[in-house]
Amino acid sequence: EVQLVESGGGLVQPGGSLRLSCAVSGFTFSNYWMRWVRQAPGKGLEWVASIKQDGSEKYYVDSVKGRFTASRDNAKNTLYLQMGSLRAEDTAMYYCARVASNRGSDFWGQGTQVTVSS
Amino acid sequence: DIQMTQSPSSVSASVGDRVTITCRASQGISKWLAWYQQKPGKAPNLLIYTTSNLQTGVPSRFSGSGSGTDFTLTISSLQPEDFATYYCQQANSFPVTFGGGTKVQIK
Repeated sequence: EVQLVESGGGLVQPGGSLRLSCAVSGFTFSNYWMRWVRQAPGKGLEWVASIKQDGSEKYYVDSVKGRFTASRDNAKNTLYLQMGSLRAEDTAMYYCARVASNRGSDFWGQGTQVTVSS
Repeated sequence: DIQMTQSPSSVSASVGDRVTITCRASQGISKWLAWYQQKPGKAPNLLIYTTSNLQTGVPSRFSGSGSGTDFTLTISSLQPEDFATYYCQQANSFPVTFGGGTKVQIK
């Protein structure tokens, strides 16, 4: 059974940092691109970042470039999102998702909530 | 960046109705269009990939069509479990972008 489990969310002050993790099981992690997608309260879905199978390519939405870094440890079957210089507008539920060869996200985690507030 | 414009933003419909949601890309995205369903408090669920292919386990009342810049999700006969919010997403190029969502509500 494919599973993705996010962790690491919480309440952080503006300007602070957090590292999100996404532990996966049930598939060969190193064969897939992965994505982070977020959803602010009451709002729609927003793509945050994508990372290639070996971590050699990474792409980010403009609003997080220079502040967030996606990475992965294929030996540990874990995806990460290092978040820095956090702003109130980064407050959202953060999901990790597997990217299928058809470029759809076919499996998602349950999400981890990040709240940026003083 | 490719903008994805979804319409309508909400629709009220009854069980058994045919519902159509459209998604327009600001430039051509070839076949790289996916549709997701999201229910409150849950992660999105992939329904359709590459414009018209039904994801495994998704009921056949869902279908997708389109090409280039104009795409459609159709629910042929709305069921109670289909009341949710639907999103289109393009993956032709980075940044990946989503439409604003369509909330399907009970009439």
